[in-house]
Amino acid sequence: ETGVTQSPTHLIKTRGQQVTLRCSSQSGHNTVSWYQQALGQGPQFIFQYYREEENGRGNFPPRFSGLQFPNYSSELNVNALELDDSALYLCASSSGGEQYFGPGTRLTVT
Amino acid sequence: AQSVAQPEDQVNVAEGNPLTVKCTYSVSGNPYLFWYVQYPNRGLQFLLKYITGDNLVKGSYGFEAEFNKSQTSFHLKKPSALVSDSALYFCAVRAPVSGNTPLVFGKGTRLSVIA
Repeated sequence: ETGVTQSPTHLIKTRGQQVTLRCSSQSGHNTVSWYQQALGQGPQFIFQYYREEENGRGNFPPRFSGLQFPNYSSELNVNALELDDSALYLCASSSGGEQYFGPGTRLTVT
Repeated sequence: AQSVAQPEDQVNVAEGNPLTVKCTYSVSGNPYLFWYVQYPNRGLQFLLKYITGDNLVKGSYGFEAEFNKSQTSFHLKKPSALVSDSALYFCAVRAPVSGNTPLVFGKGTRLSVIA
């Protein structure tokens, strides 16, 4: 196990709703990255937080937003959910080296 | 921009036989290359990485990968496959800059090891 935890494990939401996903990073890691893995695809980079500041963003619209807290845990917020947002959301923590992934949150939008 | 291609959606191999999962990449400069494995309903598990040095990299669970700069490839290999190796394998590349740059993943290759 990597020491990276995510909650909840599974989530079902309706189109138009908002969702918050949570990630606790491995001890000592100051960087958290979020990825979206659609069915049959590789993970796609959403954004990254370093010491509570966003310092990199992939090709995702502004309705995907995040936070990082002083203990380096993180949230991913998605507003105005669309059907295509259904995916496995992975967070990864790192501290200058390789990224360690959590088990993911499976989001289903109906 | 960097990219990764995994040309095979599925690889089937008999238990005990050698396996190869292919990966090619595109990046400016010297790449940082990674292999991850994903079991059903699990996150990604790190297998191995290439940053610099020997072209043959050894990783977890008996896996290794060979970096070939001229062919821009980083194929994953194992001399003798196990049924428990059946999973989804992802190759990834990071830009060769300092700091925490994001990973760019391939689409994945499903490995099926048949007893």
